[in-house]
Amino acid sequence: DQQVKQNSPSLSVQEGRISILNCDYTNSMFDYFLWYKKYPAEGPTFLISISSIKDKNEDGRFTVFLNKSAKHLSLHIVPSQPGDSAVYFCAASPRGAQKLVFGQGTRLTINP
Amino acid sequence: GAVVSQHPSWVICKSGTSVKIECRSLDFQATTMFWYRQFPKQSLMLMATSNEGSKATYEQGVEKDKFLINHASLTLSTLTVTSAHPEDSSFYICSAGQGTGGPRTTDTQYFGPGTRLTVL
Repeated sequence: DQQVKQNSPSLSVQEGRISILNCDYTNSMFDYFLWYKKYPAEGPTFLISISSIKDKNEDGRFTVFLNKSAKHLSLHIVPSQPGDSAVYFCAASPRGAQKLVFGQGTRLTINP
Repeated sequence: GAVVSQHPSWVICKSGTSVKIECRSLDFQATTMFWYRQFPKQSLMLMATSNEGSKATYEQGVEKDKFLINHASLTLSTLTVTSAHPEDSSFYICSAGQGTGGPRTTDTQYFGPGTRLTVL
């Protein structure tokens, strides 16, 4: 049972444009959400997070939006840069727990 | 930023042997370490959570006698795959948490680069 889903395995975006990565979840106990970026042969690195009490969190070029009623979150990257090319994982944490539940990842490619 | 290392980065072993994977936090003390497993084109699946000096907490479906976890110090956790079989072949990745160890507020999990295990 995949509780966190990233339905797009890959996404290709032109440099300078906006990249939008989507993530859906099913467990209403999740109350903290994170995005990680992963390069080949490296571990995931933390990008940005959002608590369920918020609907938006911004950090530089990265913004995460949370729609609790739709159980949907998205990561916006603008403007997209070639160095943003990587696999992006969304993750969710249940209330009162330390564990992270990951999505399958989306491979983002930024084209010059 | 915080650095987590894993050793070895890849290992090939014969069926029936045991393999030990080390996870170290290099520049911080990790009160909690997490072990994940990733199959090709699938998500990272949490296997267990270990706190320094206490027994690991295993996720449902993960055999604790097969995947032995030891968290002997605040900078080292080990995962031993005992009597490995081809179906254990996977990518194993650890993460280390600071503070309370949870992904809350200033707490984030710092991931190691992973270990590719191939069992022949």
